[in-house]
Amino acid sequence: NAGVMQNPRHLVRRRGQEARLRCSPMKGHSHVYWYRQLPEEGLKFMVYLQKENIIDESGMPKERFSAEFPKEGPSILRIQQVVRGDSAAYFCASSPTGGLAGVKGANVLTFGAGSRLTVL
Amino acid sequence: GESVGLHLPTLSVQEGDNSIINCAYSNSASDYFIWYKQESGKGPQFIIDIRSNMDKRQGQRVTVLLNKTVKHLSLQIAATQPGDSAVYFCADRRSGGSNYKLTFGKGTLLTVNP
Repeated sequence: NAGVMQNPRHLVRRRGQEARLRCSPMKGHSHVYWYRQLPEEGLKFMVYLQKENIIDESGMPKERFSAEFPKEGPSILRIQQVVRGDSAAYFCASSPTGGLAGVKGANVLTFGAGSRLTVL
Repeated sequence: GESVGLHLPTLSVQEGDNSIINCAYSNSASDYFIWYKQESGKGPQFIIDIRSNMDKRQGQRVTVLLNKTVKHLSLQIAATQPGDSAVYFCADRRSGGSNYKLTFGKGTLLTVNP
């Protein structure tokens, strides 16, 4: 079991370019979550997706950011027209079918190693 | 505003000593707390959790203590080893909230000296 796979691990973009970050969940997991970690900050929730559906995007910036989890292939976090403030580590997590509603503990969340975006 | 924060940004201990990492939270409605470990270049890894109806929970070499009176959470690591060197985050969940929408603290860097 390869765990949650994220790529690229490091991405450098110039201001105005687009960044695409990919996440393949653990085998058997159909729920994907994206988090952003600014330097010396804790993780902040961005978006929760199931296959072909966005379940909760309350943490996503209103502009330039989008996420998808197609029927086939990895989940993609897309940042258009990047700015220096987008420089951060972006972590993906996945959970088994059924998500994390109710009393299920957060220990079912499995995180990937993250993608570190640097905007020049 | 409501937040989860840590008392100390760094902690340095000798190998074999016990480590105590502290965390304060401000939302009295938080009902679930988690500690994560994040090693350099890796994603957060779940360590231990505790619900608000408990004061203490023990795992393998780790103990979490919850003091709801002063809204304080601590992680104790017994016989700290070099492999314990990492950033440790506490996180909380608002009562009735979803387990994926945790509020994470800034983290404490634990360094274990041989």
